Amino acid sequence: DIQMTQSPSSLSAAVGDRVTITCRASQSISTSLNWYQQKPGKVPNVLIYGASTLQTGVPSRFSGSGSGTEFTLTISSLQPEDFATYYCQQSFSAILTFGGGTKVQIK
Amino acid sequence: QITLKESGPTLVKPTQTLPLTCTFSGFSISTSGVGVGWIRQSPGKALEWLALIYWDDDKRYSPSLKSRLTITKDTSKNQVVLTMTNVDTVDTATYYCAHTVYFGDRHFDYWGQGTLVVVSS
Repeated sequence: DIQMTQSPSSLSAAVGDRVTITCRASQSISTSLNWYQQKPGKVPNVLIYGASTLQTGVPSRFSGSGSGTEFTLTISSLQPEDFATYYCQQSFSAILTFGGGTKVQIK
Repeated sequence: QITLKESGPTLVKPTQTLPLTCTFSGFSISTSGVGVGWIRQSPGKALEWLALIYWDDDKRYSPSLKSRLTITKDTSKNQVVLTMTNVDTVDTATYYCAHTVYFGDRHFDYWGQGTLVVVSS
């Protein structure tokens, strides 16, 4: 299996901060990396697919980058509605895997 | 518009078999490239991918659960069924089904609301 490791597991940030979350794959996955946002008690929602393509309707303050084994999700200016848990997911292998999640909390 | 909804028992006893049904609309699982997957989330834990079935009946399973899972589709009913045998308390989780497309980045773009399953004697 391809293991996905996210860091940090949690972070505290203030509204307006720039936030970066990292996801590392245990082997190269090209750009087959997707990011999801999950708010408490809600269903996960895809933000970015293919490492850097913004899903329709997702604000442009979200961006993704990376290839191979290292990827980042960046929120350029954190908004109140962005406090949530973020997950990466690789789709390079037929056996899909999610990262452990990064919880973004209010500072 | 695409919608999915999970259904199944809310309470299951250890060692029993758990059948979960995903009923969807807005797409056909016989359409080339379409897939439906199952993902679960134990309370306070991360998302865990379980299984996925594609339009051509190709099936994929999480290696750690493969021996206990079976995924099938009923094209005429617009349903995908996941069966988990020999459940344990650690299988207590919210179970989601989600739509994906094989040709592309295979991300889950539409999700059901999830169904909470408690395993307890």
